[in-house]
Amino acid sequence: VQLVQSGAEMKKPGSSVKVSCTTSGDSFSNYAVSWVRQAPGQGLEWMGSIIPVFGTTVHAPNFQDRVRITTDGSTYTAYMEMSSLRLDDTAVYYCARGDFGANLYYFDSWGQGSLVTVSS
Amino acid sequence: DIQMTQSPSSLSASVGDRVTITCRASQGINNCLAWFQQKPGQAPRSLIYAASSLQSGVPSKFRGSGSGTDYTLTITNLQPEDFATYYCQQYDAYPLTFGGGTKVEIK
Repeated sequence: VQLVQSGAEMKKPGSSVKVSCTTSGDSFSNYAVSWVRQAPGQGLEWMGSIIPVFGTTVHAPNFQDRVRITTDGSTYTAYMEMSSLRLDDTAVYYCARGDFGANLYYFDSWGQGSLVTVSS
Repeated sequence: DIQMTQSPSSLSASVGDRVTITCRASQGINNCLAWFQQKPGQAPRSLIYAASSLQSGVPSKFRGSGSGTDYTLTITNLQPEDFATYYCQQYDAYPLTFGGGTKVEIK
């Protein structure tokens, strides 16, 4: 399974960034897509998920107000858009495919990561 | 939120050793527990789901166990490619949460 993400971005504080994650049609239709970020030298932090077939999204409380997760079914692509960027949003952003388990879903494949650097 | 506490945060081991990493949830998570391996500069790699099921292509040297709130990842016959940081993660309830990571270093 391949999830291919967009390239690195350099942004100013207060601006927005949109990261893409493209996969196959099967992955897009039958799984969830989640976004996870990792600040430099830090651990993994779940940001939110979308179930493309239903179009439903859920966000972590820390990102509820600034993150928008969408999909484009024609290109099997998921997007994560973050607004009002701050210096501490500098991180690698990963997409991950979620396979449905007993509850919710577990990640079975990951994108290569997209570095977003926020700097004035 | 369900808090995931991993221990130890780091450990040193030799090639050929067996190591065990522990993950404790702040409440029962119904075996909805996954483990990931991450090497520097790389994306995480999924190892285990449902507490003990191996992801496709993952060797049997990785073994997950546990129930309720307490889970372990055991790696046998440690090889140079196994030195990495390991994370647990619960998917029983939103928000999905990760442990802080365990760095396995070469002694």
